[in-house]
Amino acid sequence: QVQLQESGPGLVKPSETLSLTCTVSGGSVSSGSYYWSWIRQPPGKGLEWIGYIYYSGSTNYNPSLKSRVTISVDTSKNQFSLKLSSVTAADTAVYYCAREAVAKGYMDVWGKGTTVTVSS
Amino acid sequence: VIWMTQSPSLLSASTGDRVTISCRMSQGISSYLAWYQQKPGKAPELLIYAASTLQSGVPSRFSGSGSGTDFTLTISCLQSEDFATYYCQQYYSFPRTFGQGTKVEIK
Repeated sequence: QVQLQESGPGLVKPSETLSLTCTVSGGSVSSGSYYWSWIRQPPGKGLEWIGYIYYSGSTNYNPSLKSRVTISVDTSKNQFSLKLSSVTAADTAVYYCAREAVAKGYMDVWGKGTTVTVSS
Repeated sequence: VIWMTQSPSLLSASTGDRVTISCRMSQGISSYLAWYQQKPGKAPELLIYAASTLQSGVPSRFSGSGSGTDFTLTISCLQSEDFATYYCQQYYSFPRTFGQGTKVEIK
C-alpha cells in the first residue's frame, strides 16, 4: 500500500522560499505509471492544484503559480519536493502531496498534509 | 482555465436522507470528473472518477452521473460517517481545478 508523507518547515517568513518534501513508501517514484503532485488548501478554503512531476523530471505547473514554483524528484531517496519562492501570507495553507496515475488525471493516494504558515 | 461551480455550498441533512450535489463546468469536459470526500483535518479521499466509476472500497451508496458540463454526486442513504465536505475535480485540461466544495452537515 503506497503511502505519502509530507515534511518541511511549518513557518516561513514573507519573501522567503517554502520548501517541502514528500517521501513515498510502499511504492517507487521511479514508476513510470504515476505523476507525483502537490495540492494546497488555504485555511477554510478549497483545493488548489500546484503541479506535478514525472520520474523523468518532466513537470506541469499551474500557470497561476508557475513563476514561483519548482517541483523536483530524487529517485535515490524515493522523494519529490516542492519549492515556492517569494511567499506571502496568501501562501499559508495545508500542503498535500498526492499520486496521479498517468493518463488518468485524478489523485488516488494523498499524504496527510502539512501546514505551512507564512509570517514574520 | 475551466471553472467549476458546486451547489449547494452547504447542505443540511439527516441520517438516511438521499442527498445530491451538483457540479457545473464552464465548458464541456466529457466524463473527466472526479469526486472527493474530505473530513475535518484530513486529506481528501477519492470517491468517484470518470464521472461515475466508484473507487475501490467506496460504499455503493455513493454514485456519480453526468457528462459534458453537468455532473451530480448522490448519496442514496446518508450515514453518520458521510458528514463531510465534497469536492469535484476536472481533469479534462490543465490546470487541474476543483469545485469550491459542498459541506454536508447534520440537520
